[in-house]
Amino acid sequence: SQQGEEDPQALSIQEGENATMNCSYKTSINNLQWYRQNSGRGLVHLILIRSNEREKHSGRLRVTLDTSKKSSSLLITASRAADTASYFCATSMKTSYDKVIFGPGTSLSVIP
Amino acid sequence: DGGITQSPKYLFRKEGQNVTLSCEQNLNHDAMYWYRQDPGQGLRLIYYSQIVNDFQKGDIAEGYSVSREKKESFPLTVTSAQKNPTAFYLCASRFDRSSGNTIYFGEGSWLTVV
Repeated sequence: SQQGEEDPQALSIQEGENATMNCSYKTSINNLQWYRQNSGRGLVHLILIRSNEREKHSGRLRVTLDTSKKSSSLLITASRAADTASYFCATSMKTSYDKVIFGPGTSLSVIP
Repeated sequence: DGGITQSPKYLFRKEGQNVTLSCEQNLNHDAMYWYRQDPGQGLRLIYYSQIVNDFQKGDIAEGYSVSREKKESFPLTVTSAQKNPTAFYLCASRFDRSSGNTIYFGEGSWLTVV
């Protein structure tokens, strides 16, 4: 019953390059969120985009949402070694607002 | 400091034993969550609670139990019925629906069956 799926599963880039991660989901959503996790730690919220929004920015992060395709993308511009982490999308369905489901994540490695 | 506190950080359990993971928040959040994460995998929802004295099963509730007697506390018991409990357990909370669904996480608890 997994709601969100990210791709790629793993991504390795050079410092300074942009990183793009994608998330697809199956049912109508209230909103979609992106989180970051450093190894062995809790998740940190990055950005939330509501179902009636198409794009949001926060610093070096840009998130898009295409509800017709049931997909979202997270772009990290000018990546840094400190961006190395796992990134997850999370959704709550219109039929169950409080149930927040995470995808399997994308593991990003930024090489200095 | 405000936040979510999980304890213990590391826990070892013998097969056949029940163990309880603690989760306390002083953020005055309404909703609380428990997720399980296996190495290299995503998070899977075990249980969640929207208000005191009420909780709902997530996608992998079998072998787990919870209680929500106080707003700030949401302990998770891993019972002997859980066949493969070794994992990283994450507790989270959310203020209310008007703030969107942003949830805040604790630092997690590692459970190992020996």
